[in-house]
Amino acid sequence: AQSVTQLDSQVPVFEEAPVELRCNYSSSVSVYLFWYVQYPNQGLQLLLKYLSGSTLVKGINGFEAEFNKSQTSFHLRKPSVHISDTAEYFCAVSDPQGAQKLVFGQGTRLTINP
Amino acid sequence: DAGVTQSPTHLIKTRGQHVTLRCSPISGHKSVSWYQQVLGQGPQFIFQYYEKEERGRGNFPDRFSARQFPNYSSELNVNALLLGDSALYLCASSFNPLMNTEAFFGQGTRLTVV
Repeated sequence: AQSVTQLDSQVPVFEEAPVELRCNYSSSVSVYLFWYVQYPNQGLQLLLKYLSGSTLVKGINGFEAEFNKSQTSFHLRKPSVHISDTAEYFCAVSDPQGAQKLVFGQGTRLTINP
Repeated sequence: DAGVTQSPTHLIKTRGQHVTLRCSPISGHKSVSWYQQVLGQGPQFIFQYYEKEERGRGNFPDRFSARQFPNYSSELNVNALLLGDSALYLCASSFNPLMNTEAFFGQGTRLTVV
């Protein structure tokens, strides 16, 4: 069975500061990895995904993530955050052999302070 | 193009009642997945349908059922509602989950059971 652990439930940062949201996963098979963002009262929007190839993945809104197989991690980073980045962020995994069943972490609430 | 549309956006039901939630996928998408997101947690996979067949089922009781229609829209049904069924129910559509094409999420249906 697969599982995802997001190590921080809340991350407060100041505007224009860098941020890292941490994600570790557990799986007995190879995985696909995803980061989604959820703004208040909305559904989920895909930020970026890792399927194969380069371990550094760039996504929308200036976010990037690095897949580290040895540490089973997929941390999300942004060099300079904006107020508009305030949202809930979810890390998710799926089994490449499966049918796109996503297993989500508990989420990290990113709060940007002016 | 319209995104994934879900209806209703909010509803309140009484314990023991039945509820039907509806989802229309993005035009051309043939797969619909359902997720339950309890407040403060990540989404949990309930069902996936592709080409009108059930392709995956999460760890939910038999009170939960779903189906996909010839036009690829979907319904999620929940019988004998419990207080613990209160959650945001998310629908996601994708073109071909077997190829792990991106899943697009709707804004969800907020179900409150009283």
